[in-house]
Amino acid sequence: ETGVTQTPRHLVMGMTNKKSLKCEQHLGHNAMYWYKQSAKKPLELMFVYNFKEQTENNSVPSRFSPECPNSSHLFLHLHTLQPEDSALYLCASSPGTSGIHNEQFFGPGTRLTVL
Amino acid sequence: DQQVKQNSPSLSVQEGRISILNCDYTNSMFDYFLWYKKYPAEGPTFLISISSIKDKNEDGRFTVFLNKSAKHLSLHIVPSQPGDSAVYFCAARYTGFQKLVFGTGTRLLVSP
Repeated sequence: ETGVTQTPRHLVMGMTNKKSLKCEQHLGHNAMYWYKQSAKKPLELMFVYNFKEQTENNSVPSRFSPECPNSSHLFLHLHTLQPEDSALYLCASSPGTSGIHNEQFFGPGTRLTVL
Repeated sequence: DQQVKQNSPSLSVQEGRISILNCDYTNSMFDYFLWYKKYPAEGPTFLISISSIKDKNEDGRFTVFLNKSAKHLSLHIVPSQPGDSAVYFCAARYTGFQKLVFGTGTRLLVSP
């Protein structure tokens, strides 16, 4: 595997379900990100992790719970979601978070549908 | 309030012609700008970037222009190819702040 991978690619869940999204990066990067892309809206940053430590939580509801066990893996645990949470969830990584040339590399995303 | 705006949701261009994608921003603290390209069922891929100390950056067929006084940047693709058909996102950030702010994207269709 190369780059940034995400599983599952598609997920349908009910509002009472608990599920997790997984992201893995094979680039040796130290920073990882979760983004949400809703229809006709810009990508919205949700969380940032740098060296496994959360450095940003962009006012995300607590029904989304991130976990970063190491610099290569990032999870997003989902619990009692709402239909409006249906979106494309994108994971990204970058070498670091400071400095000008920290371009982010994205995974293919998980298309989430909440019924 | 959107700090990065792409006012054209779509653009159609013939193969071989120039494609010009536009982006406007409101935050004067932004000092680094990026363009990402996204194909269906794939994540965005980094295309080209420009620092606010420059007004032009070129990479092969792709050139990004920055007009700081107008808070405007544009991506030129010359010549356009059918494989360039994708959604293009403009993004911006400022030094010391790790958050990338994205526009809503412009869908480019290059027809043969």
